[in-house]
Amino acid sequence: DTGVSQDPRHKITKRGQNVTFRCDPISEHNRLYWYRQTLGQGPEFLTYFQNEAQLEKSRLLSDRFSAERPKGSFSTLEIQRTEQGDSAMYLCASSLFGQGDSGELFFGEGSRLTVL
Amino acid sequence: DQQVKQNSPSLSVQEGRISILNCDYTNSMFDYFLWYKKYPAEGPTFLISISSIKDKNEDGRFTVFLNKSAKHLSLHIVPSRPGDSAVYFCAASPNFGNEKLTFGTGTRLTIIP
Repeated sequence: DTGVSQDPRHKITKRGQNVTFRCDPISEHNRLYWYRQTLGQGPEFLTYFQNEAQLEKSRLLSDRFSAERPKGSFSTLEIQRTEQGDSAMYLCASSLFGQGDSGELFFGEGSRLTVL
Repeated sequence: DQQVKQNSPSLSVQEGRISILNCDYTNSMFDYFLWYKKYPAEGPTFLISISSIKDKNEDGRFTVFLNKSAKHLSLHIVPSRPGDSAVYFCAASPNFGNEKLTFGTGTRLTIIP
């Protein structure tokens, strides 16, 4: 399977704990995005990388959130001191920007976070 | 502030008939629009897109119409098939290639055999 993969698929944690999600994009894709989806809502943009550079962060991304893409390949999204409001599906997506593409994003299956 | 609105949370259509999903937007800076389809336990998958310089784009059974003056777009599926049952998200972007998308809340489409 050469699609976008995310791990873990589901994480249950207690409030105050730290969690980390990993995303492996499609190998030749240079852009990687993180979105968050809560119940009954569409995905909301959090941040994106072009290669290893983090180019934009949403105001939704509080100081407790940090994302990295150290070698321009996989990415991690860490949430420190989790709160119940962080419970959501965290979606990763990748794209090949600059090659005449349509701006189409390829999404992974998501990592569902439940904060108790 | 919901900049992309899908006012119908759900829609049921008989197999073989036309499905019409609607989307409205408020931000006049949006210039490029996309539809994504989502099955349970899967991530959204790209379906079709349209630039604001066009008013129609067609891909097989799927056609997207854009009325820029009304800030309205619609997705037509003809004929509808049971495999089309999914949640459909409308998304908007300031320009082609800008993948910081603003999504609507989705419409759950159910095709009745």
